[in-house]
Amino acid sequence: GEDVEQSLFLSVREGDSSVINCTYTDSSSTYLYWYKQEPGAGLQLLTYIFSNMDMKQDQRLTVLLNKKDKHLSLRIADTQTGDSAIYFCAERTSGYSTLTFGKGTMLLVSP
Amino acid sequence: NAGVTQTPKFQVLKTGQSMTLQCAQDMNHEYMSWYRQDPGMGLRLIHYSVGAGITDQGEVPNGYNVSRSTTEDFPLRLLSAAPSQTSVYFCASSLGTSEQYFGPGTRLTVT
Repeated sequence: GEDVEQSLFLSVREGDSSVINCTYTDSSSTYLYWYKQEPGAGLQLLTYIFSNMDMKQDQRLTVLLNKKDKHLSLRIADTQTGDSAIYFCAERTSGYSTLTFGKGTMLLVSP
Repeated sequence: NAGVTQTPKFQVLKTGQSMTLQCAQDMNHEYMSWYRQDPGMGLRLIHYSVGAGITDQGEVPNGYNVSRSTTEDFPLRLLSAAPSQTSVYFCASSLGTSEQYFGPGTRLTVT
């Protein structure tokens, strides 16, 4: 079955890099996503990576995908207090329109 | 485009009451989904639809009904609300297997 696992909590200081990790079990995943959720708000798509890619960079965000280990990471460079939020990893499997989400990682950025 | 809209934003129900959570999108997306978000559980799929007239169950469908009479609308019905249905409900839509767009959510409390 499909399962997406994330660490639950990460605390960093402003200006440091943050790395949020995610593992998944479904080898037929086609797209892997990172969503951000601020308190009381909906989900905002941050970035995604197609399963045939190893890395994707978008400004301060770097996504690394290790298909062999089914491991996905999101690196946020120069983390700011405004980056404090819950970050969800999600996978889409081939032929399906729905997503399977991890439980979310709460990122706390202190000044 | 308004994107994905959900109404109401907040709702309090008594056990046994029924209600319909509304979801609409104006992007002509084929795929629409309903998720619920509970603390520490991430997002779990309730029901989804791959087009008008077609719906299917997700991971946690019990206690919920859906219908898709038009491309734009995908209402979620609670037939007899229970405290276990206290949650935040998100509707999402996508065009084919592209990225999903999420609505702002409906916070439901069942007493």
